[in-house]
Amino acid sequence: DTAVSQTPKYLVTQMGNDKSIKCEQNLGHDTMYWYKQDSKKFLKIMFSYNNKELIINETVPNRFSPKSPDKAHLNLHINSLELGDSAVYFCASSQEGVDYTYNEQFFGPGTRLTVL
Amino acid sequence: AQKVTQAQTEISVVEKEDVTLDCVYETRDTTYYLFWYKQPPSGELVFLIRRNSFDEQNEISGRYSWNFQKSTSSFNFTITASQVVDSAVYFCALLYSGGGADGLTFGKGTHLIIQP
Repeated sequence: DTAVSQTPKYLVTQMGNDKSIKCEQNLGHDTMYWYKQDSKKFLKIMFSYNNKELIINETVPNRFSPKSPDKAHLNLHINSLELGDSAVYFCASSQEGVDYTYNEQFFGPGTRLTVL
Repeated sequence: AQKVTQAQTEISVVEKEDVTLDCVYETRDTTYYLFWYKQPPSGELVFLIRRNSFDEQNEISGRYSWNFQKSTSSFNFTITASQVVDSAVYFCALLYSGGGADGLTFGKGTHLIIQP
């Protein structure tokens, strides 16, 4: 009964390819996120999405696009992969609290993407 | 702009020693949330604590304790009687009240090594 799951766990691909990473949460949360962790372990928000809006970090290249088929899923699609896209990608979810308070985010296990 | 600084890149102590991980944050918001996450060598991100800006009470959970001081914009984390299993990268993170969907702003992490 994993709370936030991601597939695949590892992804090795060639430059120029298009790939997707899937994320699912069974917590009933209303907001989902994608974070990128680089080789120095630095974590940075890429996207957040709930049923009201998609917020895109302005530094994220438009080759990256989140797709949400329903409230429990937020997939990450990446076009024309580059060497610099190699990183660990984490999906997360959270539930907005009462009176617009914010609760903790629960993270998936991560997907290690290697671009050759 | 939000910023989190974890000045200690790496800390190494011998088992059973107490250790404090520092976190200093910057925000212009009066309402915000602070978090600590643990990333063990296996790579997942584990939620440890959430604190909102109106709650300056220190918290203790077993061997873990947190000291939140608004006057110095710090949210430090202390592990008492450290154990080898505490070895991990620890991240401090900030979320401002209007930015739930904007995601967490993370510090660069402190790599804690507990030697047997």
